Amino acid sequence: GDSVTQMEGPVTLSEEAFLTINCTYTATGYPSLFWYVQYPGEGLQLLLKATKADDKGSNKGFEATYRKETTSFHLEKGSVQVSDSAVYFCALSEGNDMRFGAGTRLTVKP
Amino acid sequence: DVKVTQSSRYLVKRTGEKVFLECVQDMDHENMFWYRQDPGLGLRLIYFSYDVKMKEKGDIPEGYSVSREKKERFSLILESASTNQTSMYLCASSLTGYSVALHFGNGTRLTVT
Repeated sequence: GDSVTQMEGPVTLSEEAFLTINCTYTATGYPSLFWYVQYPGEGLQLLLKATKADDKGSNKGFEATYRKETTSFHLEKGSVQVSDSAVYFCALSEGNDMRFGAGTRLTVKP
Repeated sequence: DVKVTQSSRYLVKRTGEKVFLECVQDMDHENMFWYRQDPGLGLRLIYFSYDVKMKEKGDIPEGYSVSREKKERFSLILESASTNQTSMYLCASSLTGYSVALHFGNGTRLTVT
């Protein structure tokens, strides 16, 4: 079945460092891909998405490109801030349900 | 903005109790979901519903049931709570369609002692 694998955390970075969180997927068809973020004490919220190959999703300085040839959707940000500290989830959907990765905890230190 | 409200933020229950977790959404979404979130395991789907009185099992339905009598409300029921059901429970809703995102509540942290 469909599944998502993302890099294990936790990830600790200094402010203004470059961020990459790896995500790869397995799917039978042509899924849509998502990144969600969970801030402390809150539910998940959509960060960005891409619906087809070579699409780039972007939001709040974060980007991810849908790479069909490598079945990947890596999350990147050029300069992280303390306020980016959160848990990040990669997810895919081929219909009405959504499959999530295990989550990667990011801590950004001043 | 879509609002998904879970009735309790924290719950402590005893083994064997029947537990109800309630979720309400205010945007007329057709789909509603219950996930549990555990460290290192991410989110696992327990049940989902496409319409009133409709339900489908997710990946880990054992020990749980659900009820959807009204479109805006989706309840998760633990028939006889056990300690291995101690977890964070997240409710979500969405429209029907391709590539639609889920909207989540803030979660209910359930502890079963």
